[in-house]
Parts: sequence; structure tokens; C-alpha cells
Amino acid sequence: AQSVTQPDIHITVSEGASLELRCNYSYGATPYLFWYVQSPGQGLQLLLKYFSGDTLVQGIKGFEAEFKRSQSSFNLRKPSVHWSDAAEYFCAVANTGNQFYFGTGTSLTVIP
Amino acid sequence: NAGVTQTPKFRVLKTGQSMTLLCAQDMNHEYMYWYRQDPGMGLRLIHYSVGEGTTAKGEVPDGYNVSRLKKQNFLLGLESAAPSQTSVYFCAIRSGYQETQYFGPGTRLLVL
Repeated sequence: AQSVTQPDIHITVSEGASLELRCNYSYGATPYLFWYVQSPGQGLQLLLKYFSGDTLVQGIKGFEAEFKRSQSSFNLRKPSVHWSDAAEYFCAVANTGNQFYFGTGTSLTVIP
Repeated sequence: NAGVTQTPKFRVLKTGQSMTLLCAQDMNHEYMYWYRQDPGMGLRLIHYSVGEGTTAKGEVPDGYNVSRLKKQNFLLGLESAAPSQTSVYFCAIRSGYQETQYFGPGTRLLVL
């Protein structure tokens, strides 16, 4: 069965510092991988996605993620965090049966 | 929210009452999904549809029913609400296979 693990429930970083959010997935075939961001009281917004090809994908708001098949990981990174990046981040994997599986999320706090 | 609206935005129900949540899209997308979001649980798929007149069960379908009589609308029904169904419900749409999901703003449901 497919599953997604986000091992960090909550992360605090200082503004301007670098960020890495971890995501590990379990899926037998080539996964379709996504990162979404959710601000309080809002829906989810797509940051980036990986379907195939280059394993380093660029997204919106300066985010990037790297697909590592050997580690079953799809970690999200940003070189310099802004206060407006404070939000909840969700990793998701989609299977060929049209279903999406989401991680439990990582809450990001940014300290001025 | 990519042309996805959810009605109502907030609702309070008593145990045993019924209600229907409406998801409407103006994007002409084939795929529509209903999720529930609970603290510490991430998003879990309730039901989904791959086209008008079709529905399928997701990860947590018990206690819910759905219908997709028109392509642009996906209805989620609770026949006899229970406190365990207190949650935030999100609808999502997707244009096709290998495409991204776009989410609605959510419906907050409280069952007393």
C-alpha cells in the first residue's frame, strides 16, 4: 500500500536561514510526488511536482525538491526562508489508480 | 482556488442529522475528490470520481455517500452525522491522469 511519512511534525527556523522538510514515501512503482502548502484557514496550494525526468524540480516561491529513488525520499528545500513561508507543508504521492496519499504535514514557524 | 467552490463554508450539525456538501467547478475537469482533514492526520481521501456518473471509494468512505450527476458538481452526503465526522472537508479537482490536484477553500463541519 502507498504511504507518505513526514517525520518532522514541527520545525522552527530563523528568517534567512535555509530549510529542508523531509518526506519519505512507500510505493512500488514510479511515484508521482507533490508538495503542497497550506496557510491557516486556507486550502492547499501546489508548490511543485515530480512525474519523471530531472530529479531536481523547481517550484513556486523559491522552493525546490529532489527525488531520490534509492532513499524513497522527496525532500523540500529553500535556501533562504521568509516570514511569509510560515505554514503547514504536505507531501503527497499519487498512484496509477488516481488516488492521492498525503503525509501528516510539517508545521513551519519562522522566527524574525 | 482554481475555480473550485465549496458550499457551505461552515456548518454545525447535531448527531443523527443529515446534510450534503457541494463541490462545484468551472474548469471542466474530469476528476473530483473529497478529503477530510483532521489534526495530526493530514488529508485522507473519502471518495472520488473520474467522470460524470462515476464514483469510487477512497481511504475512509464509511459514513459518507457521494454523487456526480453533473460533471461540474460533486456532492458529499452524510446520512446520519456522528461526532467523529467533525472535520474540515476539502474538495479537489484534477484535469486528468498525471495532472495536479487543485483544492477548494474547505468546509468546516462540527457535529455535536
